[in-house]
Amino acid sequence: EVQLVESGGGLVQPGGSLRLSCEVSGFTFINYAIHWVRQAPGKGLDWVASMSGSGGVTYYADSVKGRFTISRDNSKNTLYLHMHNLRADDSAIYYCAKDGMGGGLSYFDHWGQGTLVTVSS
Amino acid sequence: EIVMTQSPATLSESPGEGVILSCRASQSVSGNLAWYQQKPGQAPRLLIYGATTRATGIPARFSGSGFATEFTLTISSLQSEDVAVYYCQQYNNWPPTWTFGQGTKVEIK
Repeated sequence: EVQLVESGGGLVQPGGSLRLSCEVSGFTFINYAIHWVRQAPGKGLDWVASMSGSGGVTYYADSVKGRFTISRDNSKNTLYLHMHNLRADDSAIYYCAKDGMGGGLSYFDHWGQGTLVTVSS
Repeated sequence: EIVMTQSPATLSESPGEGVILSCRASQSVSGNLAWYQQKPGQAPRLLIYGATTRATGIPARFSGSGFATEFTLTISSLQSEDVAVYYCQQYNNWPPTWTFGQGTKVEIK
């Protein structure tokens, strides 16, 4: 069974940093891209960032470029989202999601349950 | 940036009736269009990919159609468990960015 489990959310002050984790199981981690999507309270879905299965390529939304970075630890089947210089409008539930195509970049076929990030003083 | 526009914002229909949700892309996304269902308090779930292919375990009452810039999601016989917000998403452009529509909320009359 494919599973993605996010952790690391919490309350952080504006300008602060946070690291989210996405631990995966039930599929071959290095064969699939993993994506981060966020959802502000009462709002829609907003793509944040993605990393290819090989880890060699990353993509970021303009709203987080230069502030957020993705890394991965293949030995732990875990993807990380490093968030810096956080702003109030970064407050959201952050979901990680598995790409639906092995070796490709496409739709998101499995999602984690999300972790809440609140940026507030 | 490709903008995805969904309509209507909210839709209310009686159980057993059919409903059609629309999604329009600001430029062609070919058939690279997915639909997701998000029930209250839950993560999104993939319903349709490639504009027309149902994901694993999705009931046959859900169907997708369309190509290029105009897409629809049809629920042929609305059930109470279908109450949710439905999002379309394109995954066509290069360099890759993924954009979602603003969602259609489906309610039961």
